Parts: sequence; C-alpha cells; structure tokens
Amino acid sequence: EAQVTQNPRYLITVTGKKLTVTCSQNMNHEYMSWYRQDPGLGLRQIYYSMNVEVTDKGDVPEGYKVSRKEKRNFPLILESPSPNQTSLYFCASSPDTTWGTQYFGPGTRLLVL
Amino acid sequence: GENVEQHPSTLSVQEGDSAVIKCTYSDSASNYFPWYKQELGKRPQLIIDIRSNVGEKKDQRIAVTLNKTAKHFSLHITETQPEDSAVYFCAASPKRGSSASKIIFGSGTRLSIRP
Repeated sequence: EAQVTQNPRYLITVTGKKLTVTCSQNMNHEYMSWYRQDPGLGLRQIYYSMNVEVTDKGDVPEGYKVSRKEKRNFPLILESPSPNQTSLYFCASSPDTTWGTQYFGPGTRLLVL
Repeated sequence: GENVEQHPSTLSVQEGDSAVIKCTYSDSASNYFPWYKQELGKRPQLIIDIRSNVGEKKDQRIAVTLNKTAKHFSLHITETQPEDSAVYFCAASPKRGSSASKIIFGSGTRLSIRP
C-alpha cells in the first residue's frame, strides 16, 4: 500500500529537549516536505527536499532542521524545542515539482511544555 | 514575502446551495494553484488544481477559476452535500524550471453544510 508514515503520532516534551520526528514514504517520490498546521494560520511549509542531499527552506524554517540521506526518509529535527513549536506537523511526498498531488502522512501532534 | 489570503474563514450554506471560497496571492510568479480538503482529524487531500495557462477547470460539482491579472482564484462547489463539510485550503506555488519551490497555503475556510 502506497503511504507516508510519521512517528511518533503524539509527543509531549519539555523546552530544550532535542527531538526527531521521522517520516518515511514507500512510493519512490523525489519530493518531500514538512508542514506545521496551527489554528487560523493554515498549513505552513517548514522545509522541503527535491532529492537525496538536496533541501531548501520553506516559509517557517527557524528552529527546525532536516536531512535527506535516503530517498524514502525525511526526518524533522527540533534541536531545542520551544513552546511556540507546539503544533500539528505533517510530512508529505510528491511525484512532481508543483506539490499538487501530495501524499500527506497522518500527522504528529507535538506539545512542548 | 509571498502571501496567500483566503476568504471567508467560515462559511455556512444550506444543503443543495452553492459555496464559493476566494483566494488572492501576492507572488506574480505563482503558476500552480491547488485546493485541499481536510476533514476533521484527517490529513489534507487534493481535490482540484489549476495551472496558470487555464482560466477554469471543473470536476463534477467542483470548479476552480483563475484570474491571473487580478491574482485571485476561487473554488466553487455546487449542489452541496453534508460530506462537503470540512476545512478547505487554497495554495499557490511558483514552479521555476524543473526544480521544486515553496508552496504557500491560505489560512483555510471552514465550510459547514446545514441540512
């Protein structure tokens, strides 16, 4: 089954404690992206990747890091989480450069205390 | 920076009536405009999209129109049904050559269909 998986689905952590949210896709897509969703703000792109070892900043990259060492995986790293990073995070992959036909993961709900 | 404004933020229509959601974008290089539907507790799903060389596109009860001069595009849902209740997001993306680029989303419209 074609899918995008994210782990963990729910996470409660404390300020400053490094965390990683994993994202994996099994569709051999070149393009992957991370978004955060906040009430009233819609979806905002954090980082995206066009291929292995090729990443670029989206609209709200501050406080986040990503890596793309393998085609299928695109982890999101919060080196020192802060409460303003409490949000719902979605990973997505796409077979094309325009992002339209994106396959979204199930989401990760993060609470930073 | 690039911005996409979406209106209204909430919309309630009688079942069977039409619903219209409007978006305005700021980056004149934007040439791809998808619309996503997100049901409660679910992930966003693409419902329709339009490219800058087309003025209108239809898919059954859903249509999207684009006015590049005015930099706005709209989603039209006709004969609304209860299952159309969801949050709808517009987005704009400037495709540059063969490379991917940013995609900017609107803030969303919560559509409720009254029985």
